[in-house]
Amino acid sequence: AQSVTQLDSQVPVFEEAPVELRCNYSSSVSVYLFWYVQYPNQGLQLLLKYLSGSTLVKGINGFEAEFNKSQTSFHLRKPSVHISDTAEYFCAVTPRTGTASKLTFGTGTRLQVTL
Amino acid sequence: GAGVSQTPSNKVTEKGKYVELRCDPISGHTALYWYRQSLGQGPEFLIYFQGTGAADDSGLPNDRFFAVRPEGSVSTLKIQRTERGDSAVYLCASSFGTANTGELFFGEGSRLTVL
Repeated sequence: AQSVTQLDSQVPVFEEAPVELRCNYSSSVSVYLFWYVQYPNQGLQLLLKYLSGSTLVKGINGFEAEFNKSQTSFHLRKPSVHISDTAEYFCAVTPRTGTASKLTFGTGTRLQVTL
Repeated sequence: GAGVSQTPSNKVTEKGKYVELRCDPISGHTALYWYRQSLGQGPEFLIYFQGTGAADDSGLPNDRFFAVRPEGSVSTLKIQRTERGDSAVYLCASSFGTANTGELFFGEGSRLTVL
């Protein structure tokens, strides 16, 4: 079984400041890792994913995340946030061996960007 | 339409009633998923269809929940004898193919409130 922990339920930040949203996971098998974003009144959309290769992955809207196997973490970062980044962010994992994207999600982090 | 469509967007019902939630996936997507998101939680997997058949229904909480996808496109999630604990946002997602790469396209969800 897998579990995902997002310790920060809310992160307030000023526009143009950097931000890091933390994600840790637990799994008895190797996993793929994802970040999804949910903007107000919209469905979840994929922000970025780590399948293999370089542990630093880049996603849409200037976000990036780094996979750290020893710390079982996949933190999301952006060097300078915009008001439009205000949304809920979900970290998720799925086992590498499988034929379905049976994602296990964290509880989400609400990023609130203000002027 | 271009995205995953879910109806109704909101459903209020009384305890003990029967409810149907509909999902129209992106055209050509063979895989369809249902997730449930309770207040303050991340989405939880319910069931996965590949074509017309339910390939994995291990997330359905009990036998009051049932889902169908008779023609391999539209899916209906059916909940019998609703309970207050069934109140949540029910999310539908679709993807092309069977790979578990996590690229799911989500609808905006159906918010179910059981009084």
